[in-house]
Amino acid sequence: DIQMTQSPSTLSASVGDRVSITCRASQSISRWLAWYQQKPGEAPKLLIYEISTLENGVPSRFSGSGSETEFTLTISSLQPDDFATFYCQQYKTYPWTFGQGTKVEI
Amino acid sequence: QVQLVQSGAEVKKPGSWMRVSCKASGGTFSNYFLNWVRQAPGQGLEWMGEIIPMFGTTNYAQKFQDRVTMTLDESTATVYMELSSLSSEDTAIYFCAASPGSPRDYFEYWGQGTQVTVSP
Repeated sequence: DIQMTQSPSTLSASVGDRVSITCRASQSISRWLAWYQQKPGEAPKLLIYEISTLENGVPSRFSGSGSETEFTLTISSLQPDDFATFYCQQYKTYPWTFGQGTKVEI
Repeated sequence: QVQLVQSGAEVKKPGSWMRVSCKASGGTFSNYFLNWVRQAPGQGLEWMGEIIPMFGTTNYAQKFQDRVTMTLDESTATVYMELSSLSSEDTAIYFCAASPGSPRDYFEYWGQGTQVTVSP
């Protein structure tokens, strides 16, 4: 299975901060990477797919970058609604696997 | 826009089996792959498998291969996930999620989740 490792596990930040979350794959996954946001008690929400394509309705302060095995989710200016847990997911090879999550907290 | 509505919370005994349903609406059922993802308390997300309505085929994670079954009822656009031989480790929220299909196997739409508790 492809292992996905996120860092950091927890990120403390303030409104207006620029924050970045890293996701590393144990082998090349080409462009088959997605990012999700999950708030407590809710289902995950798709933010980005194919490394950098924003899902419809996702604010432009979210962006994705990277290639092969190393990827980054960046929030350019953190907003109050952004405090949540973020997950990366590879869909290059079965079984689809997720990172362990990064909690963004105040 | 696809909406996925799942069945309600369940409490199960160890050794028993569970079945969760997920009803799709607002889109063409056969255009999507329907996946099941679970989340144990305080933990991350774990993909269990998928069913492909267009072909009626399934792909399961090896971890669940021996005790999971995913089926669908096209007449009601409902997919079902059965998991047998339950243990306390199966206590989790179970989500169904729709993906556009290979190679776009990201989870675009999600159900609200079904809490399953396995307890003696």
